[in-house]
Amino acid sequence: QVQLVESGGGLVKPGGSQRLSCAVSGFTFGDYYMSWIRQAPGKGLECVSYISNIGNTRYYADSVKGRFTISRDNSENSLFLQMDSLRADDTAVYYCARAYGDHGLYYFDFWGQGTQVTVSS
Amino acid sequence: DIQMTQSPSTLSASVGDRVTITCRASQSIDIWLAWYQQKPGRAPKLLIYKASSLEYGVPSRFRGSGSGTEFTLTISSLQPDDFATYYCQQYSTYSPMYTFGQGTKLEIK
Repeated sequence: QVQLVESGGGLVKPGGSQRLSCAVSGFTFGDYYMSWIRQAPGKGLECVSYISNIGNTRYYADSVKGRFTISRDNSENSLFLQMDSLRADDTAVYYCARAYGDHGLYYFDFWGQGTQVTVSS
Repeated sequence: DIQMTQSPSTLSASVGDRVTITCRASQSIDIWLAWYQQKPGRAPKLLIYKASSLEYGVPSRFRGSGSGTEFTLTISSLQPDDFATYYCQQYSTYSPMYTFGQGTKLEIK
């Protein structure tokens, strides 16, 4: 069955860096766009970034542009999010999600369990 | 980016009730809208895509409708398992980033 398992979360100081990983199984990873979606404590959902199936197209929310970098390794069935210059308002649960659809029309049909990132001194 | 506004923010209802949640887009998104259910401490679960298409395995008491800028999610007869927070998400090509509504918390009355 489809599984997405995030890792790499933790406590980081403001201005620091963190790299999240998402290990995928149960489907042909290289056929799908993938996304990172976050949820701050008690708040709603925010799509922070997504990447095309072969990694040549990437989009970022304005809130993370220039600080976060999404990447993928199709040979390892893995998705990554490099987060630099972290701020307190980046504190959230970060979910890895599979994007389903085509021609720029994507919703999220499978999600990981999430990994907590806390930015605090 | 396209803004999504849900109403109400909180809804109190009883088992067996019929409830409706509304989602409005700041500009037309045609039918490119999805609905998700999230329970505390869990990842969101896809319920409906393309405004009215039911995801496989989702009970038929969930129904989505609408197009353009106004959409609704209706639960025809609430079950105990349905008390959760619901989010809409637009995925129109008119906006490069996909945005969610702020959520509607469905509580037991």
